[in-house]
Parts: sequence; structure tokens; C-alpha cells
Amino acid sequence: DVVMTQTPVSLSVSLGNQASISCRSSQSLLHSDGNTYLSWYLQKPGQSPQLLIYLASNRFSGVSNRFSGSGSGTDFTLKISRVEPEDLGVYYCFQHTHLPYTFGAGTKLELK
Amino acid sequence: EVKLVESGGGLVQPGRSLKLSCAASGFSFNDYWMGWVRQAPGKGLEWIGEINQDSSTINYTPSLKDKFTISRDNAQNTLYLQMSKLGSEDTAIYYCASGRGWGQGVMVTVSS
Repeated sequence: DVVMTQTPVSLSVSLGNQASISCRSSQSLLHSDGNTYLSWYLQKPGQSPQLLIYLASNRFSGVSNRFSGSGSGTDFTLKISRVEPEDLGVYYCFQHTHLPYTFGAGTKLELK
Repeated sequence: EVKLVESGGGLVQPGRSLKLSCAASGFSFNDYWMGWVRQAPGKGLEWIGEINQDSSTINYTPSLKDKFTISRDNAQNTLYLQMSKLGSEDTAIYYCASGRGWGQGVMVTVSS
């Protein structure tokens, strides 16, 4: 199985500052069809996960442009600029290139 | 508005079976792959499996392949998860997931 390693485990940030989360996969996520099936989700307290980024760098419909995804191969990053209170929660990366699909363990974004 | 509503959860004894449903609305259900994800209390996300549009392809995480069965009824816009031989390790919130969003989840508690 592809292991998804997220760092840091938790992140304390001041409102208005930038946050950055890393996700590394144990195998390249480049699919034979040319796509990289890496997504980022945010799970706010008491809610189901919501899709932020798909195909490594594409923002899902309605997602703020403060969220940006980058990376390729095995190294990926989610950046959140000008953190707002509604950004707090647990962020997960998710690969659906290789079966079985796998999630990272999560990164908890908290207020400093 | 995209809506995914899970049902069928609850308390079940070890070794018994349970069938979850996910009713979809607000999008063209039969155009999308659908999947199930679960989250044990206080833990991260675990991908269970997925089913394609016409049910010709169904993929599972290997550890659950012999216990869980995913199916769908496109006429009823409904996704199913049949779970058998349940154990305490299957206690979790079960989410229905699609490329258009996730449901709010349904709790399954396995206990005598």
C-alpha cells in the first residue's frame, strides 16, 4: 500500500499568517494516464471532510483562493495564506492513484 | 444542492451484519464513481472501497474485502454498504463519498 506521510502532525498559526502542510507518498502518484491523483481535505470539528484540492493543484468549486496545492511525484504541499478562523480543523491528503487508496494521518491546524 | 444522506447505522452485536444506505440527490448519481470511507472514534480516515457508474468495477481495501460489499441502485440514486462479521474494530462513522461531496456520516457501534 502507498504510505502517505503528513508533516507536521499539528500546526499552530496566528490568524492572518500562512500555514504550510507537507504530504509525501511512498510511491510516485503520477498515474499512467498522466494525472496525479492527490487530493486535500479539511475536516472541521464535528463535520465530514470537505474537498479543497484535487489533482494536486486544482481548487474545488467554491474553495477560497487562499488555499493552494502544489507538488508532483511523491512530494506535495498545501498552503493556506492569511489563515482565518474557519480554516481550523484537521487536514488530510489522499491518494487515489494506486489501489488501495490511502489517506495521510492528518495535520491539525490550531490557533496560536 | 448536492446531498448525500447515510442511514442504517446503530448498535450491532459482534459477529452480526448491517447494511448502510446512502441516498444521493442534487447531481447525476449514475455519472459518478461512489465510495465509502470510515473514521474510528478519534482517529483518521480509512478508505473502504469504491464502485463505478455501472457497478462493473468495485475496488476494496484488502483487509475489508471479505467482510464488506459495496453496491448501488442507480434507479434509486442509492449507494449501499453491506457489512458482515462485524467486530469492535468496525466501530466508526461511515461516510458516503463522491466527487461532488461527502455525506454527514452514520455511526456504527459494534458492542455486546
